[in-house]
Amino acid sequence: KAGVTQTPRYLIKTRGQQVTLSCSPISGHRSVSWYQQTPGQGLQFLFEYFSETQRNKGNFPGRFSGRQFSNSRSEMNVSTLELGDSALYLCASSSDAYTDTQYFGPGTRLTVL
Amino acid sequence: GENVEQHPSTLSVQEGDSAVIKCTYSDSASNYFPWYKQELGKRPQLIIDIRSNVGEKKDQRIAVTLNKTAKHFSLHITETQPEDSAVYFCAASKIHTGFQKLVFGTGTRLLVSP
Repeated sequence: KAGVTQTPRYLIKTRGQQVTLSCSPISGHRSVSWYQQTPGQGLQFLFEYFSETQRNKGNFPGRFSGRQFSNSRSEMNVSTLELGDSALYLCASSSDAYTDTQYFGPGTRLTVL
Repeated sequence: GENVEQHPSTLSVQEGDSAVIKCTYSDSASNYFPWYKQELGKRPQLIIDIRSNVGEKKDQRIAVTLNKTAKHFSLHITETQPEDSAVYFCAASKIHTGFQKLVFGTGTRLLVSP
């Protein structure tokens, strides 16, 4: 099976803009989680979607949002970008909401200038 | 909420030595503990995991131990090789509850010198 894919791989934006990142899970996987990775804060959970419903949310401001489509693909959106949003955004998929193993995509490197 | 602490932050060993990375967690309801390896510029890759009903698990040169009473778990790498050099993350979560949130430790940079 193909692994988790994310697009785009790299993005450069300026403060105040918004951005949309995409994640395609492993075929058959229905749960998609998003994480932010920064040198200072490490890996932090953003949110998790299962069957088009957000089941869990981390401690991030409302500028961070997401959604999941009927084919399990997921998008996350960050509005009004701030310099501190520069990070590697990783998504991970697992087969269902009760299964343990999460497989990560390659990430999207977002740079905010 | 859950908090995971990981030590050490950096670990340098000689090729062939063993390496041990330790993590503690705060939420006694956590029942799943994966370890991920992340090479520079790459995605985190699951290398081993353990569930709370098991005390130890091995996979070739890698082993993980879990002490539920003390709420800590450790990664053991034997006969280290230069290709083991990477950042290792421990994590904790509560599976079978619908909560897929992984709480990560801060990472350990392992450097294996030839």
